[in-house]
Amino acid sequence: QVQLQESGPGLVKPSETLSLTCTVSGGSISTYYWSWIRQPPGRGLEWIGNIYYSGSTNYNPSLKSRVTISVDTSKNQFSLRLSSVTAADTAVYYCAREDIVATKFDYWGQGTLVTVSS
Amino acid sequence: QSALTQPASVSGSPGQSITISCTGTSSDVGDYNYVSWYQHHPGKAPKLMIYEVSNRPSGLSNRFSGSKSGNTASLTISGLQAEDEADYYCSSYTRSSSLNVVFGGGTKLIVL
Repeated sequence: QVQLQESGPGLVKPSETLSLTCTVSGGSISTYYWSWIRQPPGRGLEWIGNIYYSGSTNYNPSLKSRVTISVDTSKNQFSLRLSSVTAADTAVYYCAREDIVATKFDYWGQGTLVTVSS
Repeated sequence: QSALTQPASVSGSPGQSITISCTGTSSDVGDYNYVSWYQHHPGKAPKLMIYEVSNRPSGLSNRFSGSKSGNTASLTISGLQAEDEADYYCSSYTRSSSLNVVFGGGTKLIVL
């Protein structure tokens, strides 16, 4: 059974960079696409972007200038960096495995709340 | 505002059936059979319930079913159980710009 677990700081100051890591267990990261998705308080889900194990990435156009997703196949991990954060970036951040052929997310992490505040 | 429109809440009594709608456009739901549904109990990992409009992942209860008509997809849960109370989200492939997928705003299912 594939499991994903997000980790990283729960509090980030405005203008700084949010950094999160997703550790994949129960399966190899060297297949499928791996995504980051977020949910601001009281709002719906927003796809941030994804990465293939080869390093190929796709980003949400609304966040593209601030987002970097990377992968470390030796550690079975992938990471998210979001720069110049504001209060609007406060959200629960999820990592997920994405089957891009069927456009479905078949495994998710539990999510981690990141608050942007001074 | 989410790209796909869902009702904020629906409710039903145990044993009854409910349907949650998900309305998009011809750029997503209407033109592609790549609609998925997710169940989310707060504090837990979201769970894939339906993919490609009406397919269930292996082992999932057949009480959950999906369909689509025009720009609106639907999730139906029959024989409601207390543990079905959760938030439900739809998603769809979209051909809009380089955005791969759009989500609905979520529907809270209340089991009375």
